[in-house]
Amino acid sequence: GQQVMQIPQYQHVQEGEDFTTYCNSSTTLSNIQWYKQRPGGHPVFLIQLVKSGEVKKQKRLTFQFGEAKKNSSLHITATQTTDVGTYFCALLTSGGSYIPTFGRGTSLIVHP
Amino acid sequence: GAGVSQSPSNKVTEKGKDVELRCDPISGHTALYWYRQRLGQGLEFLIYFQGNSAPDKSGLPSDRFSAERTGESVSTLTIQRTQQEDSAVYLCASSLGQDLSYEQYFGPGTRLTVT
Repeated sequence: GQQVMQIPQYQHVQEGEDFTTYCNSSTTLSNIQWYKQRPGGHPVFLIQLVKSGEVKKQKRLTFQFGEAKKNSSLHITATQTTDVGTYFCALLTSGGSYIPTFGRGTSLIVHP
Repeated sequence: GAGVSQSPSNKVTEKGKDVELRCDPISGHTALYWYRQRLGQGLEFLIYFQGNSAPDKSGLPSDRFSAERTGESVSTLTIQRTQQEDSAVYLCASSLGQDLSYEQYFGPGTRLTVT
């Protein structure tokens, strides 16, 4: 079955520092989605990447999809306390399964 | 509807009792997923419904777990003879359909505590 590794598991940063989480797959992906879960909340969709080498930006967040479509990253520039939460990648592969495989998530803790 | 709703929001039950969790997806969403999230952990897939097709039950951890969905509306997840290891947040998500490009909309979850 498909394996997904998301690192790091936890990241402490001072407010204003940058943050990056990485998601790696054992198989080539069709697309990848990123979700954010605030403490005590539920996952909320952030973005989807489909094309090889794709880069998308949302304000201070930059999402990248690897050239081989096996890895992805989420980078936050100049973190703020509102960025606190757990960031999950969800991997989707073609071939009949419509069930995404979620990474274990990276919990971001921002110290003011 | 405004979003995915789940009930109850919290459920405390004694070991050995049965529980039923409910999910109301967004109107028009044909795909529905159930996940389990233990404290501090990721999302564990349980079951997937798509329209009137047979559900994908490959994630159900044991035969104590079952789920039903009426057409493209409400779904219920039933856990029989609950055990302490069933304690977790149970999340329901819906999406527009059977396509890899559709995002999932999650409900607020049901926090289940088995004592």
